[in-house]
Amino acid sequence: NAGVTQTPKFQVLKTGQSMTLQCAQDMNHNSMYWYRQDPGMGLRLIYYSASEGTTDKGEVPNGYNVSRLNKREFSLRLESAAPSQTSVYFCAIRIGNQPQHFGDGTRLSIL
Amino acid sequence: GENVEQHPSTLSVQEGDSAVIKCTYSDSASNYFPWYKQELGKRPQLIIDIRSNVGEKKDQRIAVTLNKTAKHFSLHITETQPEDSAVYFCAARGSNDYKLSFGAGTTVTVRA
Repeated sequence: NAGVTQTPKFQVLKTGQSMTLQCAQDMNHNSMYWYRQDPGMGLRLIYYSASEGTTDKGEVPNGYNVSRLNKREFSLRLESAAPSQTSVYFCAIRIGNQPQHFGDGTRLSIL
Repeated sequence: GENVEQHPSTLSVQEGDSAVIKCTYSDSASNYFPWYKQELGKRPQLIIDIRSNVGEKKDQRIAVTLNKTAKHFSLHITETQPEDSAVYFCAARGSNDYKLSFGAGTTVTVRA
């Protein structure tokens, strides 16, 4: 999978719980991204990190925080989970001038 | 920001026929247009892309065309096969070079 590892693969939370989704890459690429995928809405960008030490908001950042811990890792945190955040979350990296390359996803359900 | 619209949302074709998916974009500065295929339960994977200095690109049974004046681009799949059944997403990279904006997706079903 071109070196993008997401953990966990599945998670069920209760409303109000907090959770951190992890993403790690092993190819030393600068740009990393978090998307959410919902039926009929495509892939929507939550946050991205163009390089180590920088993060920027995407289309739907509300309710999320991110940390670019180092060049390899980019985590997504839900401080107080809400049912509207039930989704499939994809981490992606950008390889040179190519488009985003995705991890296998985290399926998150919030009850 | 960039807005990408994709049509149709679902497409059913007979095996061997062609499938066409169309997308429009709003940012005239967009210069890169990838297409992704996502099989059920899997991650989106790049299948073909086109840059703004090219009008058409082919890769075996798949082709993409771009009309910059009209701000639309299309994916063409010829001689469809059952393994072409999937969700297809178009995307555009606009004035922010780091961001890709995606269409809502087209679910393609190839009937045997």
